[in-house]
Amino acid sequence: KAGVTQTPRYLIKTRGQQVTLSCSPISGHRSVSWYQQTPGQGLQFLFEYFSETQRNKGNFPGRFSGRQFSNSRSEMNVSTLELGDSALYLCASSGQGAVTGELFFGEGSRLTVL
Amino acid sequence: DAKTTQPTSMDCAEGRAANLPCNHSTISGNEYVYWYRQIHSQGPQYIIHGLKNNETNEMASLIITEDRKSSTLILPHATLRDTAVYYCILGAGGGNKLTFGTGTQLKVEL
Repeated sequence: KAGVTQTPRYLIKTRGQQVTLSCSPISGHRSVSWYQQTPGQGLQFLFEYFSETQRNKGNFPGRFSGRQFSNSRSEMNVSTLELGDSALYLCASSGQGAVTGELFFGEGSRLTVL
Repeated sequence: DAKTTQPTSMDCAEGRAANLPCNHSTISGNEYVYWYRQIHSQGPQYIIHGLKNNETNEMASLIITEDRKSSTLILPHATLRDTAVYYCILGAGGGNKLTFGTGTQLKVEL
Protein backbone atom coordinates (compact mmCIF):
# COMPACT_ATOMS: atom_id res chain seq x y z
CA LYS A 1 0.00 0.00 0.00
CA ALA A 2 1.11 3.57 -0.52
CA GLY A 3 3.27 5.14 2.15
CA VAL A 4 2.98 8.49 3.86
CA THR A 5 2.96 11.29 1.33
CA GLN A 6 4.11 14.78 2.14
CA THR A 7 3.79 17.84 -0.06
CA PRO A 8 5.55 19.92 -1.06
CA ARG A 9 8.94 18.24 -0.78
CA TYR A 10 10.89 21.47 -0.96
CA LEU A 11 9.92 25.07 -0.52
CA ILE A 12 11.52 28.44 0.05
CA LYS A 13 9.85 31.23 1.94
CA THR A 14 10.91 34.58 3.34
CA ARG A 15 10.69 35.82 6.89
CA GLY A 16 7.22 36.90 7.92
CA GLN A 17 5.42 34.70 5.43
CA GLN A 18 3.34 31.71 6.38
CA VAL A 19 3.47 28.16 5.06
CA THR A 20 1.13 25.18 4.94
CA LEU A 21 2.43 21.63 4.66
CA SER A 22 0.32 18.64 3.82
CA CYS A 23 0.47 15.01 4.87
CA SER A 24 -1.52 12.08 3.57
CA PRO A 25 -1.21 9.10 5.91
CA ILE A 26 -1.25 5.45 5.01
CA SER A 27 -4.77 4.33 4.19
CA GLY A 28 -6.57 3.30 7.35
CA HIS A 29 -4.22 5.11 9.71
CA ARG A 30 -5.96 7.57 11.98
CA SER A 31 -3.02 9.01 13.89
CA VAL A 32 -0.81 11.63 12.29
CA SER A 33 2.19 13.15 14.06
CA TRP A 34 4.42 15.99 12.98
CA TYR A 35 8.10 16.41 13.78
CA GLN A 36 10.66 19.10 13.08
CA GLN A 37 14.25 18.15 12.35
CA THR A 38 17.11 20.64 12.45
CA PRO A 39 20.87 20.08 12.68
CA GLY A 40 21.00 21.81 16.04
CA GLN A 41 17.95 20.41 17.81
CA GLY A 42 17.51 17.05 16.10
CA LEU A 43 14.05 15.52 15.77
CA GLN A 44 11.46 17.30 17.87
CA PHE A 45 7.80 16.43 18.28
CA LEU A 46 5.36 19.11 17.20
CA PHE A 47 1.90 17.60 17.63
CA GLU A 48 -0.23 14.55 17.02
CA TYR A 49 -3.75 14.29 15.69
CA PHE A 50 -6.09 11.36 16.07
CA SER A 51 -9.59 11.31 14.62
CA GLU A 52 -9.46 15.06 13.91
CA THR A 53 -8.48 15.91 17.51
CA GLN A 54 -5.11 17.10 18.72
CA ARG A 55 -4.01 14.43 21.16
CA ASN A 56 -0.50 15.57 22.04
CA LYS A 57 1.43 18.77 21.64
CA GLY A 58 5.13 19.53 21.85
CA ASN A 59 6.86 22.65 23.11
CA PHE A 60 6.53 24.90 20.12
CA PRO A 61 5.12 28.43 19.95
CA GLY A 62 1.59 29.13 18.83
CA ARG A 63 2.85 30.04 15.37
CA PHE A 64 2.90 26.32 14.72
CA SER A 65 -0.53 24.83 14.29
CA GLY A 66 -2.13 21.86 12.63
CA ARG A 67 -5.35 20.16 11.85
CA GLN A 68 -6.66 16.85 10.64
CA PHE A 69 -9.50 16.22 8.27
CA SER A 70 -12.14 13.52 8.35
CA ASN A 71 -10.16 11.48 5.83
CA SER A 72 -7.17 11.59 8.24
CA ARG A 73 -5.12 13.86 5.99
CA SER A 74 -3.35 16.49 8.00
CA GLU A 75 -1.92 19.92 7.47
CA MET A 76 0.44 21.98 9.56
CA ASN A 77 0.82 25.70 9.32
CA VAL A 78 3.61 27.97 10.42
CA SER A 79 2.82 31.66 10.51
CA THR A 80 5.18 34.62 10.66
CA LEU A 81 8.13 32.54 9.57
CA GLU A 82 11.50 33.04 11.23
CA LEU A 83 14.92 32.02 9.98
CA GLY A 84 15.06 29.37 12.67
CA ASP A 85 12.03 27.64 11.20
CA SER A 86 14.20 26.34 8.39
CA ALA A 87 14.02 22.60 8.87
CA LEU A 88 12.87 19.26 7.57
CA TYR A 89 9.27 18.74 8.64
CA LEU A 90 8.35 15.10 8.95
CA CYS A 91 4.93 13.58 9.15
CA ALA A 92 4.28 10.11 10.54
CA SER A 93 1.16 8.02 10.62
CA SER A 94 0.20 5.12 12.81
CA GLY A 95 -2.57 2.61 12.78
CA GLN A 96 -2.57 2.13 16.53
CA GLY A 97 -4.64 4.57 18.47
CA ALA A 98 -4.36 3.49 22.06
CA VAL A 99 -0.69 2.70 22.47
CA THR A 100 2.37 4.33 21.00
CA GLY A 101 3.21 2.09 18.14
CA GLU A 102 5.04 1.79 14.93
CA LEU A 103 5.24 5.10 13.14
CA PHE A 104 5.53 5.32 9.39
CA PHE A 105 7.35 8.46 8.36
CA GLY A 106 7.13 10.33 5.10
CA GLU A 107 10.12 11.74 3.25
CA GLY A 108 9.52 15.17 4.72
CA SER A 109 9.05 18.72 3.51
CA ARG A 110 12.25 20.74 3.54
CA LEU A 111 11.52 24.36 4.33
CA THR A 112 14.08 27.08 3.82
CA VAL A 113 13.34 30.52 5.25
CA LEU A 114 15.35 33.40 3.81
CA ASP B 1 14.50 15.60 27.32
CA ALA B 2 15.63 12.32 25.87
CA LYS B 3 15.83 9.61 28.52
CA THR B 4 18.17 7.34 26.63
CA THR B 5 21.94 7.35 26.22
CA GLN B 6 23.61 6.01 23.11
CA PRO B 7 27.18 6.13 21.79
CA THR B 8 27.66 8.86 19.25
CA SER B 9 29.10 6.60 16.59
CA MET B 10 30.04 3.01 15.82
CA ASP B 11 31.72 1.18 12.98
CA CYS B 12 30.96 -2.30 11.77
CA ALA B 13 32.41 -4.51 9.06
CA GLU B 14 30.00 -5.64 6.39
CA GLY B 15 28.68 -9.12 7.08
CA ARG B 16 29.35 -8.91 10.79
CA ALA B 17 26.78 -8.37 13.49
CA ALA B 18 26.23 -4.79 14.60
CA ASN B 19 25.39 -4.46 18.28
CA LEU B 20 24.05 -1.05 19.21
CA PRO B 21 23.68 -0.37 22.95
CA CYS B 22 21.24 1.93 24.67
CA ASN B 23 20.97 2.90 28.32
CA HIS B 24 17.61 3.88 29.78
CA SER B 25 18.10 3.62 33.52
CA THR B 26 15.01 5.71 34.38
CA ILE B 27 12.58 3.75 32.23
CA SER B 28 9.06 3.52 33.62
CA GLY B 29 7.12 0.30 33.90
CA ASN B 30 4.77 1.17 31.06
CA GLU B 31 7.40 2.44 28.66
CA TYR B 32 8.34 0.48 25.58
CA VAL B 33 11.78 0.59 24.00
CA TYR B 34 11.62 1.57 20.32
CA TRP B 35 14.34 1.56 17.73
CA TYR B 36 14.22 3.62 14.58
CA ARG B 37 16.87 4.44 12.01
CA GLN B 38 17.29 7.31 9.63
CA ILE B 39 19.23 7.01 6.44
CA HIS B 40 20.55 10.32 5.20
CA SER B 41 17.86 12.63 3.85
CA GLN B 42 15.06 10.14 4.43
CA GLY B 43 12.36 9.91 7.07
CA PRO B 44 13.03 7.66 10.08
CA GLN B 45 12.21 3.99 9.65
CA TYR B 46 10.76 1.84 12.40
CA ILE B 47 12.89 -1.21 13.23
CA ILE B 48 11.55 -2.96 16.30
CA HIS B 49 10.15 -2.40 19.77
CA GLY B 50 9.72 -4.32 23.02
CA LEU B 51 8.55 -4.05 26.60
CA LYS B 52 10.21 -6.79 28.62
CA ASN B 53 10.96 -9.75 26.42
CA ASN B 54 13.51 -10.02 23.69
CA GLU B 55 12.06 -9.46 20.25
CA THR B 56 13.11 -10.47 16.76
CA ASN B 57 11.83 -9.57 13.34
CA GLU B 58 13.13 -9.70 9.80
CA MET B 59 15.30 -6.66 10.34
CA ALA B 60 16.82 -7.04 13.77
CA SER B 61 16.76 -8.44 17.27
CA LEU B 62 16.15 -6.46 20.44
CA ILE B 63 17.66 -7.64 23.69
CA ILE B 64 16.32 -5.96 26.85
CA THR B 65 18.03 -6.61 30.17
CA GLU B 66 15.99 -8.10 32.96
CA ASP B 67 15.97 -4.84 34.93
CA ARG B 68 15.01 -3.01 31.68
CA LYS B 69 17.67 -0.38 32.27
CA SER B 70 19.44 -1.08 29.02
CA SER B 71 18.93 -2.73 25.68
CA THR B 72 20.86 -3.76 22.59
CA LEU B 73 19.77 -3.68 18.99
CA ILE B 74 21.40 -6.40 16.93
CA LEU B 75 21.66 -6.31 13.14
CA PRO B 76 22.81 -9.87 12.52
CA HIS B 77 24.56 -9.37 9.18
CA ALA B 78 25.19 -5.68 8.58
CA THR B 79 25.33 -4.42 5.01
CA LEU B 80 26.43 -1.10 3.57
CA ARG B 81 22.77 -0.12 3.33
CA ASP B 82 22.51 -0.32 7.12
CA THR B 83 24.68 2.79 7.44
CA ALA B 84 22.37 5.22 9.22
CA VAL B 85 21.64 7.01 12.48
CA TYR B 86 19.97 4.63 14.92
CA TYR B 87 17.65 6.03 17.58
CA CYS B 88 16.67 4.31 20.79
CA ILE B 89 13.43 5.83 22.11
CA LEU B 90 11.13 5.27 25.05
CA GLY B 91 7.40 5.53 24.51
CA ALA B 92 4.31 4.89 26.58
CA GLY B 93 0.60 4.67 25.93
CA GLY B 94 -1.58 7.66 25.26
CA GLY B 95 -0.37 8.70 21.90
CA ASN B 96 2.46 8.66 19.47
CA LYS B 97 4.71 11.32 20.97
CA LEU B 98 8.27 10.09 20.67
CA THR B 99 11.30 11.88 22.05
CA PHE B 100 14.25 11.33 19.76
CA GLY B 101 17.75 11.72 21.16
CA THR B 102 20.90 12.20 19.15
CA GLY B 103 21.20 8.55 18.18
CA THR B 104 24.17 6.46 17.10
CA GLN B 105 25.73 6.98 13.69
CA LEU B 106 26.47 3.47 12.47
CA LYS B 107 28.92 3.19 9.63
CA VAL B 108 29.16 -0.15 7.89
CA GLU B 109 32.36 -0.58 5.94
CA LEU B 110 33.79 -3.17 3.57
